[in-house]
Amino acid sequence: EADIYQTPRYLVIGTGKKITLECSQTMGHDKMYWYQQDPGMELHLIHYSYGVNSTEKGDLSSESTVSRIRTEHFPLTLESARPSHTSQYLCASSPFFRANVLTFGAGSRLTVL
Amino acid sequence: DQQVKQNSPSLSVQEGRISILNCDYTNSMFDYFLWYKKYPAEGPTFLISISSIKDKNEDGRFTVFLNKSAKHLSLHIVPSQPGDSAVYFCAASAVMGNQFYFGTGTSLTVIP
Repeated sequence: EADIYQTPRYLVIGTGKKITLECSQTMGHDKMYWYQQDPGMELHLIHYSYGVNSTEKGDLSSESTVSRIRTEHFPLTLESARPSHTSQYLCASSPFFRANVLTFGAGSRLTVL
Repeated sequence: DQQVKQNSPSLSVQEGRISILNCDYTNSMFDYFLWYKKYPAEGPTFLISISSIKDKNEDGRFTVFLNKSAKHLSLHIVPSQPGDSAVYFCAASAVMGNQFYFGTGTSLTVIP
């Protein structure tokens, strides 16, 4: 019954490859977020969007980029993956007027060899 | 610098007893606090929240307490059940709808 979907769930790729992590939500939420989490560490905000054509960088510097062409879709792209990009990436969304509750996707676990 | 801290990486509790998970924060501008629960291979799910105008919020077996002067909040689960075994994240935000800051999580194990 997940309303926010992330694909792929698991990805193992070689260094230098371009990858896109997909995130889609069916709740009509305006705000969407990408968090990065390493084991035993806090979730770090790397990108967020307040609506179509709006994207901002979060506190944690990331070499990834995002786009928001449609309300429901917020993909994250790494142009050239490196082992330091190995992590779990969590997508989340929230409605504009009740933005203090995030709904998370199941996550995408990326391993770069 | 970490603005939200969960100093206990793990906690084990017997079924039926109370579980108390703690969280400290450093930013006095935070005015909204949330707890999330995360099972392995799943994303975090929202559990309970509290705004800074309250010092307690209750939802069934879950109660969150906020001590603003100490910059401390805690989550009480009573009675604890084996299905509560998960990682619990504390999160905080300043100004409605802005960025959320998460702790490192506490792994709770409820022993049957």
